[in-house]
Formats: sequence, C-alpha cells, structure tokens
Amino acid sequence: AQSVTQLGSHVSVSEGALVLLRCNYSSSVPPYLFWYVQYPNQGLQLLLKYTTGATLVKGINGFEAEFKKSETSFHLTKPSAHMSDAAEYFCAVSAAAGNNRKLIWGLGTSLAVNP
Amino acid sequence: GAGVSQSPSNKVTEKGKDVELRCDPISGHTALYWYRQSLGQGLEFLIYFQGNSAPDKSGLPSDRFSAERTGGSVSTLTIQRTQQEDSAVYLCASSLNTPGIGGTGELFFGEGSRLTVL
Repeated sequence: AQSVTQLGSHVSVSEGALVLLRCNYSSSVPPYLFWYVQYPNQGLQLLLKYTTGATLVKGINGFEAEFKKSETSFHLTKPSAHMSDAAEYFCAVSAAAGNNRKLIWGLGTSLAVNP
Repeated sequence: GAGVSQSPSNKVTEKGKDVELRCDPISGHTALYWYRQSLGQGLEFLIYFQGNSAPDKSGLPSDRFSAERTGGSVSTLTIQRTQQEDSAVYLCASSLNTPGIGGTGELFFGEGSRLTVL
C-alpha cells in the first residue's frame, strides 16, 4: 500500500531564508510524486512532479524537489523564501502516471514566511 | 471557462437539509474528481468519473452522498440529510487523461465549495 508522510504540519521561515518541506513516501512500485500548493481560499495547483528521468525536478516559483529512492523522499526546497510563498503545500504519490485516482495525499504543511 | 468552476463557493445549511454542489470542469477534460478537505485531515478522495466508464464511488463516506456527471461535463455532488461532520471544503478537479497513454498526471482544481452544517 502507498502512503505519504509530510513531516511538520507547520513550518515558519524568515523572508529570504531556505525553505525545506519534507515528504516521505511508501510505495511497492516506482512512484510518481507530486507537490501541489494551495494559496488561501483557492484550489490546489501543481508545483512540480517527478515521473521518470532526472531526479531533480524544477517547478514554478523557484521551487524544486529531488527524488531520492534510497531515502524514499521527495523534499521540496526553495533557496530564498518570499512572502508570497505562504501557503499550504501537499505532497502526493501515485502508482502510475495518469491514474490520478490513485493519488495518495499527505496531510499538508502550512508554510508561514515572516518579514 | 478557462479553469474548473465550482458553485456555490460557500453554503451554510441546517442539519438534515440536502445540498447540491456543482462542478464545471475544464472543457475537454475527461476525468473529474471530487475530494473533501477537512481541517487537518488532508484531501479525502470521494468519487472519480472517467469518460463514459462507471464512476469509482469507493470514497463516498455514506449512502447520503451521491454524484452524477451529465453529458461527460458538469458534475453535481449531492449530500442528503446533512450532518455537522459533513462540514468541509469540497474540491473538484479535472484532468486530461488519455486512456492507454496515461496523460500528464496533473489535476486542475476548482476553488472549492465550503459547506457549513449548523
């Protein structure tokens, strides 16, 4: 069975500081991994995804994530936080590309950015 | 429209009443999903429609919940005899899935319908 664990339901960083949001997954088959972001009172939108190929994936707004099979992790990073990055971030795993109904979601991490 | 549209954006109802939530997916997207988002609970899958196939209803929490998708486009989620525990944000998402190929794997979400049951 697949599962996703996001470590830290709340993360607070200063503006300009490194953002690191942790995601670990469990999957018996090669996973497809996603990060979505939800800004206040909005729906979710895709930040980035890993399917196959290069393990370092770049997304929108300067975010990137690295798939580490040995650590079963897909942590999200951004070198320098901006106030506009304050949002809820969700990690998700799927057993197969396109079979979205099998997306398993983490509980989310709320990112606060302090001036 | 350009994105997934949901209505109403907010709905307050009394316990025991029925509610209908509407989702208008992106034109051409064959897959449509309903999720429920409760505080601190992440995203809970409810139901999935794919083209003309029978919907996957495995996530519906009780028989008070039902959904339909007319003409492969607009979907309505109906909650009968609402209970306070039904209070949540109901999110709809659509996806351009290509059967046999897999599609992009990207879901496009609406802004959600916030349901409050008093």
